[in-house]
Amino acid sequence: KAGVTQTPRYLIKTRGQQVTLSCSPISGHRSVSWYQQTPGQGLQFLFEYFSETQRNKGNFPGRFSGRQFSNSRSEMNVSTLELGDSALYLCASSLLDGRGHNEQFFGPGTRLTVL
Amino acid sequence: AQSVTQLGSHVSVSEGALVLLRCNYSSSVPPYLFWYVQYPNQGLQLLLKYTTGATLVKGINGFEAEFKKSETSFHLTKPSAHMSDAAEYFCAVSKGGGSNYKLTFGKGTLLTVNP
Repeated sequence: KAGVTQTPRYLIKTRGQQVTLSCSPISGHRSVSWYQQTPGQGLQFLFEYFSETQRNKGNFPGRFSGRQFSNSRSEMNVSTLELGDSALYLCASSLLDGRGHNEQFFGPGTRLTVL
Repeated sequence: AQSVTQLGSHVSVSEGALVLLRCNYSSSVPPYLFWYVQYPNQGLQLLLKYTTGATLVKGINGFEAEFKKSETSFHLTKPSAHMSDAAEYFCAVSKGGGSNYKLTFGKGTLLTVNP
């Protein structure tokens, strides 16, 4: 079974631009979560989607948004990019087997550099 | 609110020596606990998890961890380090069961294995 895929793997943008990152979960997984990883702040939760609905949201400004499609694929968007948005953005998918075993499988990440 | 503290941002061991990576958590509800490993330029890979039941959990690559509720700890150990174990390790906590799949991560511990 294919793992979580994220595209693109690397991205360079300039301040003020916007960016869209894509995540395809493992087949059959309906929950997709996004995390930001930076050297200073570590791994921080952005949001989680299930069945096209955002169920959980972290403490990020409204410039960070996401969505999930009917095939469970997810995108996240960052508008008006700032230098501090430079980070590795990780996507994780989960089966949600109804027993509360929330093992999350992570993709390789998208490395965003804002100049 | 939940939090994770990993003691030691950098641990260095000799090949064949014991690996001990420390993790303490704070949670107002029974937690689910996880250890993930991250190799350079890659996403996170699950090493092991504690949900319920046996408090000594065995994972992949010879790693194990013990959930100690009284000490609010979930330390990761491996009897004999291998060069391939060099990576960054993250301890994470989430609320048990239900629909809350947010993972709260520690800051990570970089493991170096010396020949």
